Amino acid sequence: GQQVMQIPQYQHVQEGEDFTTYCNSSTTLSNIQWYKQRPGGHPVFLIQLVKSGEVKKQKRLTFQFGEAKKNSSLHITATQTTDVGTYFCAGNSGTYKYIFGTGTRLKVLA
Amino acid sequence: EAGVAQSPRYKIIEKRQSVAFWCNPISGHATLYWYQQILGQGPKLLIQFQNNGVVDDSQLPKDRFSAERLKGVDSTLKIQPAKLEDSAVYLCASSPQQVPTYEQYFGPGTRLTVT
Repeated sequence: GQQVMQIPQYQHVQEGEDFTTYCNSSTTLSNIQWYKQRPGGHPVFLIQLVKSGEVKKQKRLTFQFGEAKKNSSLHITATQTTDVGTYFCAGNSGTYKYIFGTGTRLKVLA
Repeated sequence: EAGVAQSPRYKIIEKRQSVAFWCNPISGHATLYWYQQILGQGPKLLIQFQNNGVVDDSQLPKDRFSAERLKGVDSTLKIQPAKLEDSAVYLCASSPQQVPTYEQYFGPGTRLTVT
């Protein structure tokens, strides 16, 4: 079945450093969503990518969908302590359900 | 608008006991999801409803788990009997439509501990 993997599993950065998490699907995706889950909280939707090669920005966050629509990345510029949490990608391969990735847990050291 | 409501927030039971979780989605949302999130992992879809019909329950352990969505609104998820490996957070989410281009709104979750 479809699998969605993310790397790295954990990342510790100093405040102000950049951070990137990568998401890879075993199958071609129709679209991909990104969620953020704060410690002890629930996933909160960040963005959805649909088109091959699509790049979207939200303030310090940049999201990219690969040309082959099998991978995606999330890049955070100049991390802040408020960026702490686990970032999940969730891929849809044309069915009605999303498969969540394994997540990347980000810690930001002040 | 009010978010997705879930209860209880925490539950501790012994193995072989039964437990039920309740979810009230955002008003007007046609699609409702139940996910299981084991510590350190991503959410795993257990069952997906469109109104009161089941769209996908391929990963629901049907020998012990059951779910229903009453009148296309509230939903309950039941585990009977519980096993140690069922310890997890059970997340309910809803979205406006079934077409998979809408974001999912998650509730706060129910943290289940099976001892």
